[in-house]
Amino acid sequence: EAQVTQNPRYLITVTGKKLTVTCSQNMNHEYMSWYRQDPGLGLRQIYYSMNVEVTDKGDVPEGYKVSRKEKRNFPLILESPSPNQTSLYFCASSSGRGGFTDTQYFGPGTRLTVL
Amino acid sequence: AQSVSQHNHHVILSEAASLELGCNYSYGGTVNLFWYVQYPGQHLQLLLKYFSGDPLVKGIKGFEAEFIKSKFSFNLRKPSVQWSDTAEYFCAVTGANSKLTFGKGITLSVRP
Repeated sequence: EAQVTQNPRYLITVTGKKLTVTCSQNMNHEYMSWYRQDPGLGLRQIYYSMNVEVTDKGDVPEGYKVSRKEKRNFPLILESPSPNQTSLYFCASSSGRGGFTDTQYFGPGTRLTVL
Repeated sequence: AQSVSQHNHHVILSEAASLELGCNYSYGGTVNLFWYVQYPGQHLQLLLKYFSGDPLVKGIKGFEAEFIKSKFSFNLRKPSVQWSDTAEYFCAVTGANSKLTFGKGITLSVRP
């Protein structure tokens, strides 16, 4: 089954404790992105990647890091989480034919709470 | 840079009522337009998309949207909503840089 998986689905942590949210897709997609969803603000792009070892900042990259060492994986790293990073996070992927103009396939989301 | 404006934050309808959700974008060049839906507790999924051609686009579950270039609009419509259409709806646009920008979303609540 074609899908995007994220782990963990729920996470409660404390300020300053480094964490990683994993994202994996099995569709051989080139493009992958991370978004955060906040009430009243919709989805905002954090980082995106157009292929292995190619990443770039989205609209709200501060406080986040990403890496793309393999095509299928695109982990999101919070080196020193803060309460304002409490949010719902979605990973998405799309094929390379049209970049972000192609349909985005979203993961199930990770609800992060930073105390 | 492109932006997307969705006019209403929360729409409440009774079953069988007609639906129209507004979406306006700002971008001077060629755009690709999308509507995504997020059912309660689920991830986003594509409802429909417009790339080129017929400006009236039909999507899943009886939804359609019309691209009106002169108005920079891509409104979503459904003639008769069902309780199962209760969800959050997001309009999104890509411009020349292929960057995808989402609107803030509209919550639709359908009363049975």
